[in-house]
Amino acid sequence: DAKTTQPPSMDCAEGRAANLPCNHSTISGNEYVYWYRQIHSQGPQYIIHGLKNNETNEMASLIITEDRKSSTLILPHATLRDTAVYYCIVLMDSSYKLIFGSGTRLLVRP
Amino acid sequence: ETGVTQTPRHLVMGMTNKKSLKCEQHLGHNAMYWYKQSAKKPLELMFVYSLEERVENNSVPSRFSPECPNSSHLFLHLHTLQPEDSALYLCASSQEGGGERDYEQYFGPGTRLTVT
Repeated sequence: DAKTTQPPSMDCAEGRAANLPCNHSTISGNEYVYWYRQIHSQGPQYIIHGLKNNETNEMASLIITEDRKSSTLILPHATLRDTAVYYCIVLMDSSYKLIFGSGTRLLVRP
Repeated sequence: ETGVTQTPRHLVMGMTNKKSLKCEQHLGHNAMYWYKQSAKKPLELMFVYSLEERVENNSVPSRFSPECPNSSHLFLHLHTLQPEDSALYLCASSQEGGGERDYEQYFGPGTRLTVT
């Protein structure tokens, strides 16, 4: 599975968009990009995933570059409850293993 | 509420004790997982069960013994643990055979284990 690189920490103001980047330059054609987050003292929570096209759901948007070497998770209007560690994970479609890295610790400021 | 419950939420045990962690999923999934999260370390996959058969054992010491009696329940039996085994133990479930949604795992709240 491809390795991902994320900044260790970011912050944003409440109500503003939070844009979390992820580099996955070694991604192969059949690998998906998944995002999870972990709020303090809770289990991780699935957010969104994509292959080539941009995706949007009720929680976030996922923008994947055309060459698929990087992606950005967008929380359009961050709230204090979005403070968490965000994990970008790349997976082959034949693998069930979620390999969690260190993620990005997002702090949403009041 | 994710549909995955874990008990107990907190456990303190001595190195000579035997205890069990329990996980139950109410989502109708057919795959279940145990993860370990030590302080300031990424989550580590320990065991995977698919259709009640163990399909993954990530070089976990034998003092951790998983059991999956049916697709809704998963146990982690603990014996003669070491202080370095203190961690948050997380259970997750997913629906295998669902294509890309296989990786949409639903996690329980975890059991915070302290070994003294």
